Amino acid sequence: NAGVTQTPKFQVLKTGQSMTLQCAQDMNHNSMYWYRQDPGMGLRLIYYSASEGTTDKGEVPNGYNVSRLNKREFSLRLESAAPSQTSVYFCASGDGLEGTEAFFGQGTRLTVV
Amino acid sequence: KQEVTQIPAALSVPEGENLVLNCSFTDSAIYNLQWFRQDPGKGLTSLLLIQSSQREQTSGRLNASLDKSSGRSTLYIAASQPGDSATYLCAVMDSSYKLIFGSGTRLLVRP
Repeated sequence: NAGVTQTPKFQVLKTGQSMTLQCAQDMNHNSMYWYRQDPGMGLRLIYYSASEGTTDKGEVPNGYNVSRLNKREFSLRLESAAPSQTSVYFCASGDGLEGTEAFFGQGTRLTVV
Repeated sequence: KQEVTQIPAALSVPEGENLVLNCSFTDSAIYNLQWFRQDPGKGLTSLLLIQSSQREQTSGRLNASLDKSSGRSTLYIAASQPGDSATYLCAVMDSSYKLIFGSGTRLLVRP
Protein backbone atom coordinates (compact mmCIF):
# COMPACT_ATOMS: atom_id res chain seq x y z
CA ASN A 1 0.00 0.00 0.00
CA ALA A 2 1.45 3.35 -1.06
CA GLY A 3 -0.57 5.49 1.39
CA VAL A 4 0.33 9.15 0.79
CA THR A 5 2.88 9.91 -1.92
CA GLN A 6 4.59 13.27 -2.27
CA THR A 7 6.79 14.46 -5.08
CA PRO A 8 9.45 15.70 -5.26
CA LYS A 9 11.39 14.72 -2.13
CA PHE A 10 13.93 17.53 -2.48
CA GLN A 11 13.90 20.80 -4.39
CA VAL A 12 16.07 23.90 -4.62
CA LEU A 13 14.48 27.01 -6.08
CA LYS A 14 15.74 30.47 -6.81
CA THR A 15 13.83 33.41 -5.37
CA GLY A 16 10.92 34.26 -7.65
CA GLN A 17 10.65 30.83 -9.28
CA SER A 18 7.43 28.88 -9.14
CA MET A 19 6.78 25.21 -8.49
CA THR A 20 4.04 22.75 -7.65
CA LEU A 21 4.28 20.07 -4.98
CA GLN A 22 2.22 17.01 -5.78
CA CYS A 23 0.40 14.76 -3.34
CA ALA A 24 -1.69 11.66 -3.96
CA GLN A 25 -3.41 9.25 -1.58
CA ASP A 26 -4.86 5.83 -2.27
CA MET A 27 -6.94 5.36 0.89
CA ASN A 28 -10.15 6.94 -0.40
CA HIS A 29 -9.95 9.64 2.27
CA ASN A 30 -12.18 12.67 1.93
CA SER A 31 -9.83 15.19 3.55
CA MET A 32 -6.34 16.25 2.54
CA TYR A 33 -3.88 18.68 4.09
CA TRP A 34 -0.69 20.62 3.41
CA TYR A 35 1.65 21.58 6.28
CA ARG A 36 5.00 23.19 6.64
CA GLN A 37 7.47 22.36 9.38
CA ASP A 38 10.31 24.68 10.26
CA PRO A 39 13.29 23.61 12.40
CA GLY A 40 12.34 22.90 16.00
CA MET A 41 8.69 23.64 15.39
CA GLY A 42 5.49 21.72 15.05
CA LEU A 43 3.40 21.50 11.90
CA ARG A 44 1.58 24.58 10.67
CA LEU A 45 -1.42 24.12 8.41
CA ILE A 46 -1.17 25.91 5.08
CA TYR A 47 -4.36 24.77 3.32
CA TYR A 48 -6.73 21.88 3.61
CA SER A 49 -9.50 20.28 1.62
CA ALA A 50 -12.26 18.81 3.75
CA SER A 51 -13.76 17.05 0.74
CA GLU A 52 -13.37 16.89 -3.02
CA GLY A 53 -14.30 20.26 -4.52
CA THR A 54 -13.55 22.35 -1.41
CA THR A 55 -10.41 24.05 -0.15
CA ASP A 56 -9.87 26.29 2.86
CA LYS A 57 -7.07 28.36 4.32
CA GLY A 58 -5.15 27.17 7.31
CA GLU A 59 -2.86 29.11 9.63
CA VAL A 60 -0.20 30.23 7.10
CA PRO A 61 -1.75 30.43 3.58
CA ASN A 62 0.03 33.54 2.28
CA GLY A 63 2.23 32.84 -0.74
CA TYR A 64 0.58 29.51 -1.55
CA ASN A 65 -2.27 28.18 -3.65
CA VAL A 66 -3.81 24.73 -3.77
CA SER A 67 -5.85 22.59 -6.12
CA ARG A 68 -7.91 19.56 -5.19
CA LEU A 69 -7.68 17.91 -8.58
CA ASN A 70 -9.85 14.93 -7.64
CA LYS A 71 -10.44 12.82 -4.56
CA ARG A 72 -6.92 11.36 -4.72
CA GLU A 73 -4.78 14.40 -5.52
CA PHE A 74 -4.09 17.69 -3.76
CA SER A 75 -1.35 19.98 -5.08
CA LEU A 76 0.40 22.96 -3.48
CA ARG A 77 1.73 25.76 -5.64
CA LEU A 78 4.30 28.42 -4.84
CA GLU A 79 3.81 31.16 -7.42
CA SER A 80 6.89 33.24 -6.54
CA ALA A 81 9.14 31.50 -4.07
CA ALA A 82 10.75 33.45 -1.24
CA PRO A 83 13.54 32.42 1.16
CA SER A 84 10.96 32.47 4.00
CA GLN A 85 9.30 29.49 2.28
CA THR A 86 12.35 27.31 2.88
CA SER A 87 10.88 24.48 4.91
CA VAL A 88 9.84 20.86 4.93
CA TYR A 89 6.38 20.38 3.45
CA PHE A 90 4.12 17.51 4.44
CA CYS A 91 0.94 16.31 2.82
CA ALA A 92 -1.60 14.27 4.77
CA SER A 93 -4.97 12.64 4.27
CA GLY A 94 -7.64 11.58 6.72
CA ASP A 95 -11.35 11.23 7.31
CA GLY A 96 -12.84 12.65 10.48
CA LEU A 97 -16.36 11.58 9.68
CA GLU A 98 -15.28 7.99 9.17
CA GLY A 99 -13.01 8.16 12.17
CA THR A 100 -9.88 7.09 10.37
CA GLU A 101 -6.34 8.00 11.24
CA ALA A 102 -4.55 10.72 9.32
CA PHE A 103 -1.58 9.50 7.31
CA PHE A 104 1.37 11.53 6.19
CA GLY A 105 3.68 11.56 3.21
CA GLN A 106 7.43 11.50 3.70
CA GLY A 107 7.82 15.22 3.08
CA THR A 108 9.41 17.56 0.56
CA ARG A 109 12.50 19.43 1.66
CA LEU A 110 12.41 22.78 -0.13
CA THR A 111 15.22 25.33 -0.14
CA VAL A 112 14.74 28.76 -1.67
CA VAL A 113 18.00 30.63 -2.35
CA LYS B 1 -9.89 29.36 16.96
CA GLN B 2 -8.59 25.97 18.03
CA GLU B 3 -5.22 26.03 19.75
CA VAL B 4 -3.27 22.97 20.80
CA THR B 5 -0.57 23.10 23.45
CA GLN B 6 1.88 20.40 24.49
CA ILE B 7 3.75 20.35 27.77
CA PRO B 8 6.60 19.80 28.39
CA ALA B 9 8.46 20.93 25.26
CA ALA B 10 11.31 18.55 26.08
CA LEU B 11 11.79 15.66 28.47
CA SER B 12 14.79 13.53 29.39
CA VAL B 13 14.30 10.35 31.42
CA PRO B 14 16.35 7.27 32.29
CA GLU B 15 15.44 4.01 30.61
CA GLY B 16 12.67 2.06 32.31
CA GLU B 17 10.71 5.03 33.62
CA ASN B 18 7.01 5.45 33.02
CA LEU B 19 6.17 8.87 31.65
CA VAL B 20 3.26 11.08 30.69
CA LEU B 21 3.05 13.59 27.87
CA ASN B 22 0.34 16.23 27.96
CA CYS B 23 -1.78 17.83 25.27
CA SER B 24 -4.45 20.47 25.76
CA PHE B 25 -6.86 22.07 23.31
CA THR B 26 -9.11 25.10 23.59
CA ASP B 27 -12.26 24.02 21.70
CA SER B 28 -13.94 20.79 22.79
CA ALA B 29 -15.89 20.45 19.51
CA ILE B 30 -13.55 17.86 18.00
CA TYR B 31 -14.03 14.71 15.93
CA ASN B 32 -10.92 13.00 17.21
CA LEU B 33 -7.47 13.41 18.68
CA GLN B 34 -4.42 11.65 17.37
CA TRP B 35 -0.92 11.11 18.72
CA PHE B 36 2.02 10.91 16.32
CA ARG B 37 5.70 10.13 16.58
CA GLN B 38 8.35 11.87 14.48
CA ASP B 39 11.97 10.75 14.29
CA PRO B 40 14.59 13.34 13.25
CA GLY B 41 14.44 14.09 9.55
CA LYS B 42 11.49 11.75 9.03
CA GLY B 43 7.76 11.96 8.47
CA LEU B 44 5.03 11.38 11.02
CA THR B 45 3.90 7.97 12.20
CA SER B 46 0.46 7.58 13.75
CA LEU B 47 0.50 6.04 17.23
CA LEU B 48 -3.05 6.24 18.54
CA LEU B 49 -6.37 7.74 17.50
CA ILE B 50 -9.09 8.52 20.04
CA GLN B 51 -12.57 9.29 18.75
CA SER B 52 -14.48 12.09 20.48
CA SER B 53 -16.82 9.51 22.04
CA GLN B 54 -13.96 7.48 23.52
CA ARG B 55 -12.03 7.95 26.74
CA GLU B 56 -8.85 6.04 25.95
CA GLN B 57 -6.95 3.87 23.51
CA THR B 58 -4.11 1.44 24.11
CA SER B 59 -1.41 0.03 21.88
CA GLY B 60 1.33 -2.02 23.47
CA ARG B 61 3.18 0.15 26.00
CA LEU B 62 1.23 3.24 24.94
CA ASN B 63 -2.02 4.46 26.44
CA ALA B 64 -3.75 7.66 25.41
CA SER B 65 -6.65 9.24 27.27
CA LEU B 66 -9.06 11.96 26.26
CA ASP B 67 -11.13 14.29 28.44
CA LYS B 68 -13.07 16.43 26.01
CA SER B 69 -14.82 18.50 28.63
CA SER B 70 -11.54 19.73 30.08
CA GLY B 71 -9.77 19.86 26.70
CA ARG B 72 -6.99 17.48 27.70
CA SER B 73 -5.28 14.35 26.48
CA THR B 74 -2.37 12.42 27.90
CA LEU B 75 -0.04 9.89 26.32
CA TYR B 76 1.33 7.41 28.82
CA ILE B 77 4.46 5.46 27.88
CA ALA B 78 5.25 2.50 30.11
CA ALA B 79 8.75 1.18 30.73
CA SER B 80 10.43 3.63 28.39
CA GLN B 81 13.26 2.47 26.11
CA PRO B 82 15.99 4.37 24.22
CA GLY B 83 14.13 3.53 21.00
CA ASP B 84 11.23 5.65 22.25
CA SER B 85 13.37 8.77 21.82
CA ALA B 86 11.59 10.98 19.29
CA THR B 87 9.26 13.97 19.09
CA TYR B 88 5.66 13.24 20.02
CA LEU B 89 2.93 15.37 18.51
CA CYS B 90 -0.76 15.53 19.22
CA ALA B 91 -3.34 16.78 16.76
CA VAL B 92 -7.07 17.45 16.98
CA MET B 93 -9.52 17.27 14.11
CA ASP B 94 -12.11 19.98 14.63
CA SER B 95 -15.71 20.16 13.41
CA SER B 96 -14.63 21.54 10.02
CA TYR B 97 -12.18 18.63 9.51
CA LYS B 98 -9.21 20.90 10.09
CA LEU B 99 -6.32 18.98 11.68
CA ILE B 100 -4.42 21.20 14.13
CA PHE B 101 -1.13 20.23 15.74
CA GLY B 102 0.61 21.08 18.94
CA SER B 103 4.29 21.99 18.83
CA GLY B 104 5.39 18.62 20.18
CA THR B 105 7.34 17.14 23.07
CA ARG B 106 10.91 16.10 22.36
CA LEU B 107 11.64 12.94 24.36
CA LEU B 108 15.08 11.54 25.15
CA VAL B 109 15.31 8.20 26.93
CA ARG B 110 18.81 7.73 28.34
CA PRO B 111 20.29 4.19 28.48
